[in-house]
Amino acid sequence: GNSVTQMEGPVTLSEEAFLTINCTYTATGYPSLFWYVQYPGEGLQLLLKATKADDKGSNKGFEATYRKETTSFHLEKGSVQVSDSAVYFCALSLFQGAQKLVFGQGTRLTINP
Amino acid sequence: DTGVSQDPRHKITKRGQNVTFRCDPISEHNRLYWYRQTLGQGPEFLTYFQNEAQLEKSRLLSDRFSAERPKGSFSTLEIQRTEQGDSAMYLCASIQTRNTGELFFGEGSRLTVL
Repeated sequence: GNSVTQMEGPVTLSEEAFLTINCTYTATGYPSLFWYVQYPGEGLQLLLKATKADDKGSNKGFEATYRKETTSFHLEKGSVQVSDSAVYFCALSLFQGAQKLVFGQGTRLTINP
Repeated sequence: DTGVSQDPRHKITKRGQNVTFRCDPISEHNRLYWYRQTLGQGPEFLTYFQNEAQLEKSRLLSDRFSAERPKGSFSTLEIQRTEQGDSAMYLCASIQTRNTGELFFGEGSRLTVL
């Protein structure tokens, strides 16, 4: 079947630290990959995406590279801010665009000043 | 464009009661999705509509669950004879499939079954 596994949380970092949140997937086809973010009290928002192998998605200083050989899509940011505190979800879709998503369990990130 | 709107935001009910959630998608979005999210987990797909047609239902959606999207605009998700295991956040999302764009999520309706 199709599934996404994220690193266990919660993750707590100091401001300006380097961030990595691991994500690996299993898929029966060739998926598109996504990172969604959920800020406190808000709905899920698309952070970035990649639709084919070796593509790099980027947004707001976050990056993730689609690695087909390791079935991974790890999220990275060079210098986190307090405002990055949120829950981050990795997801895949086997359909065009971000539809019928399969999500990981989420990783709660807290950044301390 | 006010985004995807869900109502109510929080519903507390007793076991055995029926509850209904409403979702208003972004206007002109032809596809609408329902997901369920339990504590500490990611959202899980429940069902989706293309305009007014319900095209797929997950095996998670028991016979006590029914969803509609009359006229292809807003959608309702009804849960009959609620059980404690139904306690979760119910998320609605919409997308315009003419674009290979983003799925927009509402803030969710949280159900607590006592």
